Amino acid sequence: QVQLVQSGPEVKKPGASVKVSCKASGYSLTVYFIHWVRQAPGQGLEWMGWINTNSGGTNYAQKFQGRVTMTRDTSINTAYMELSRLGSDDTAMYYCTRSLSSIDFDCWGQGTLVTVSS
Amino acid sequence: QSALTQPRSVSGSPGQSVTISCTGTSSDVGGYNYVSWYQQHPGKAPKLLIYDVSKRPSGVPDRFSGSKSGNTASLTISGLQAEDEGDYYCCSYGGTNTPILFGGGTKLTVL
Repeated sequence: QVQLVQSGPEVKKPGASVKVSCKASGYSLTVYFIHWVRQAPGQGLEWMGWINTNSGGTNYAQKFQGRVTMTRDTSINTAYMELSRLGSDDTAMYYCTRSLSSIDFDCWGQGTLVTVSS
Repeated sequence: QSALTQPRSVSGSPGQSVTISCTGTSSDVGGYNYVSWYQQHPGKAPKLLIYDVSKRPSGVPDRFSGSKSGNTASLTISGLQAEDEGDYYCCSYGGTNTPILFGGGTKLTVL
């Protein structure tokens, strides 16, 4: 069945970087865009950006520009999100999700908890 | 652009109907027919309920319906069931500068 499986939880120190992976199964990664959405504890959903998994083109939310990098490796059907210069307010659950031609996020990863703490 | 505006909470009794609003601007909700709705239960990933304002993915009960008027989109849940309790988020395309916006979320309580 169609699944997005993310990498495990991470604990990072302030100022460090984190790279989260999202492996697609049951379909070809390049057919859908991959978006990254985060959710701080007890808070709402926040869109971070997307990657066109076919061309590699990206579009990041202004808030994260300069600090986020989204990439993909089509040979292993996996997308990545790297966030640098982490601060305590980056502590959140990070989700990958997919869309076809609209904002129809029909499949989500299980989430990766990133904790930033000194 | 700020997040789309949703009520913090709504409630209803089993069998009743509730409507959750999502207010944006002419640059997002009002400007495009790209509004989607998600249900999230505690500790779980969001689940798509409605996309393109009023389309329902296969497997989503027809108790869930979406609509839009001007800058406000709405999600209506009819025949409330206990399992509908959870958080609901709207999402809209916001144009080139801010492509995707989420609402702040609404907590639905089934009394």
